[in-house]
Amino acid sequence: GESVGLHLPTLSVQEGDNSIINCAYSNSASDYFIWYKQESGKGPQFIIDIRSNMDKRQGQRVTVLLNKTVKHLSLQIAATQPGDSAVYFCAERGKSSASKIIFGSGTRLSIRP
Amino acid sequence: NAGVTQTPKFQVLKTGQSMTLQCAQDMNHNSMYWYRQDPGMGLRLIYYSASEGTTDKGEVPNGYNVSRLNKREFSLRLESAAPSQTSVYFCASSDPGAEKLFFGSGTQLSVL
Repeated sequence: GESVGLHLPTLSVQEGDNSIINCAYSNSASDYFIWYKQESGKGPQFIIDIRSNMDKRQGQRVTVLLNKTVKHLSLQIAATQPGDSAVYFCAERGKSSASKIIFGSGTRLSIRP
Repeated sequence: NAGVTQTPKFQVLKTGQSMTLQCAQDMNHNSMYWYRQDPGMGLRLIYYSASEGTTDKGEVPNGYNVSRLNKREFSLRLESAAPSQTSVYFCASSDPGAEKLFFGSGTQLSVL
C-alpha cells in the first residue's frame, strides 16, 4: 500500500545552521510531494510543494529535493531560526484533482541557542 | 476572513456517546477534509469531500460519518464514541487538486 514515512523522529540543530529533514515514500504514482509545518497547538501550515517531474524547488529559506530513483524527499531550511521549531510533515498526493493528501509521521525540529 | 473554523475546541465524551464536530470555511474552497492526529503521530485522513455533494473514505473511516452540508460546511459525526477515538481532529479545505491545505485549529476529543 501507499505510505509516506520519515527517517528521523527528532532533529536538534544549532541556531544559524542549516536543517535537513528527510522523508521516504513508497507510492511511485504520487504526483505531488508537500511539506507542512506544525507549531505546538496549531494546525499544519503549508511550506512548499514539488511536482514529481521536478527534482528541486526553492522557496524563501527552504529548498525541497526529490529523488525519485530512491523515493526520497528532503526539506532544507537555511540559517535555522528559533521560529523554525516545529514538527515537519511530508505528504503526498496523486495525479487526479480528487486525490487525497496522505501525511507521513513527522519530524520534530528543535533549535539550540 | 476567518479561514477554517472548527467547533468545539475541546470535548470530553463517555464511551457510547455521540457527537458532531463542525467545520466551516469562508475561502470558497471546493475540497474539505477531516484528519485525526494521535500523540506523536502524523495526520491520518478520515474522510474527504472533493466537491460539494461528494464524500469519500480516507485511511481510517471506521466509526465516523460525514456530511457535506453545503460548500462551506463539512461535519464529522461519531455515532458511538470509543476510547480509541481519543485524538485531535483537524478540518482542512483547499481548491480542487491543490496541495495547499488550510487547516483549522483542531478539536481535542477525549473519550473516557
